[in-house]
Amino acid sequence: VLLQESGPGLVKPSETLSLSCSVSGYSITTYYWSWIRQSPGKGLEWIGYIYYSRTTDLNPSLKSRVTMSADTSRNQVSLTLTSVTTADTAVYYCARAPIYYCAGDCPNWYIDVWGRGTLVTVSS
Amino acid sequence: SYELIQPPSVSVSPGQTASITCSGHNLGQKYACWYQQKPGQSPILVISQDSKRPSGIPERFSGSNSENTATLTISGTQAMDEADYYCQAWDRNSFVVFGGGTKLTVL
Repeated sequence: VLLQESGPGLVKPSETLSLSCSVSGYSITTYYWSWIRQSPGKGLEWIGYIYYSRTTDLNPSLKSRVTMSADTSRNQVSLTLTSVTTADTAVYYCARAPIYYCAGDCPNWYIDVWGRGTLVTVSS
Repeated sequence: SYELIQPPSVSVSPGQTASITCSGHNLGQKYACWYQQKPGQSPILVISQDSKRPSGIPERFSGSNSENTATLTISGTQAMDEADYYCQAWDRNSFVVFGGGTKLTVL
C-alpha cells in the first residue's frame, strides 16, 4: 500500500489549500483514510478522516474550514482547507487506519500506513 | 476536548530500559497506540491497541495501559531507537487525539 500526497507547496493567506492523496495497492472503499499535519518542529495534529460513502469526522478545532472527499474512480482522497493562515504551514500526511466502519465508536482506531507527507507553506 | 499528555523528553543509556508515559483521563478504558518518528521521516506504528506489536517491530518494544496512563517501554534501547514518540487514542467527542510527543535521547 502506497500513499502519495500532492498539491501546491505554497498558498497565500486567506486562500484555500487543496491536497490529494493517491492510494495504490488498496481500495479506498474500505477502511478509514485520514489527514494529519505537523507544523515545523511541532507534534502531530489530526485533521479528519473519511470512510467512503459512510462518514467523515473532523477535528472540532478545524471543522469549520475542512472538507474531505473520496474519488473511487481515481482511488484518491482529498482535503480542502479554507481561509488559511501562516498557522496552517505544515507537512500534511495522508494515512490509512485499517478499521472497518465503526459507526462513531472506534476505540481501537490506529494508523498502519502513512504517506511521505507534503510541505505546504502559507505565505504571501 | 480530550487530551493526552507526554513528557517532552526522556533520556536513556544504551542497553537500558526506556519508559515513555502518556496520560489521559480514564485512558485505561480506551486503547492507546504509539508511533515512532525519526527526523525527516513519516511516523511508523510501533504499538497498537495498547500492547500489540506490528510485524517488523522489534520485540524490545512493548506497551501497557492502565487507569490514566499508557506506557511505551523499550528494553535494551539501541541508538537507532532515538526518535520522537507519539501516543494516540480515540475519544467519542474528540475522535483521534495525539499526545504532544516525547523526544527519546539515547546517550
